[in-house]
Amino acid sequence: DTGVSQDPRHKITKRGQNVTFRCDPISEHNRLYWYRQTLGQGPEFLTYFQNEAQLEKSRLLSDRFSAERPKGSFSTLEIQRTEQGDSAMYLCASSAMRGAGYTFGSGTRLTVV
Amino acid sequence: DQQVKQNSPSLSVQEGRISILNCDYTNSMFDYFLWYKKYPAEGPTFLISISSIKDKNEDGRFTVFLNKSAKHLSLHIVPSQPGDSAVYFCAANPGGTSYGKLTFGQGTILTVHP
Repeated sequence: DTGVSQDPRHKITKRGQNVTFRCDPISEHNRLYWYRQTLGQGPEFLTYFQNEAQLEKSRLLSDRFSAERPKGSFSTLEIQRTEQGDSAMYLCASSAMRGAGYTFGSGTRLTVV
Repeated sequence: DQQVKQNSPSLSVQEGRISILNCDYTNSMFDYFLWYKKYPAEGPTFLISISSIKDKNEDGRFTVFLNKSAKHLSLHIVPSQPGDSAVYFCAANPGGTSYGKLTFGQGTILTVHP
């Protein structure tokens, strides 16, 4: 399978705990994006990388959120001190330059209890 | 502010008929538009796109129309099939250095009845 992989698919955590999600993009794609989707809304842009460089961060990405793409391949999104409002689907996408082949993963569903 | 809007939360269509999903945008800097289909617990799947220099793009049963002066696009599905039942999102792509940073509408739930 050469699609975008996200792990885990589901995560339930207690408020205040830290969580980390992983995204493996399509191997030849050098751009990687994170989005968040809440119920009844479309995905909202969080951040994106070109290779290992994080080029843009949304104001939605508070200080509790951090994303990395250390070797320009997979990426991690960490949420520290989770809050109930962080409950959402976290989507990862990747593309080649200029958006070619823009492909989403299946997402990680986070529930904070 | 909602730069991309899908004002119809849901649409119900009979199998074999045409489905028309609408999307409006406010930012004239958007230069590429995409439609995605999404099933529950899955990521969005790309359907069709259109560049701002065109007014129509067709791919099989799917056609997207763009009216730049009205800042409006629509997705036509004909004939509609029960398997088309899903949530449909339009997304807009800005030009320049932010290319790839998609802005999505809220989605329209399409139900196609047999």
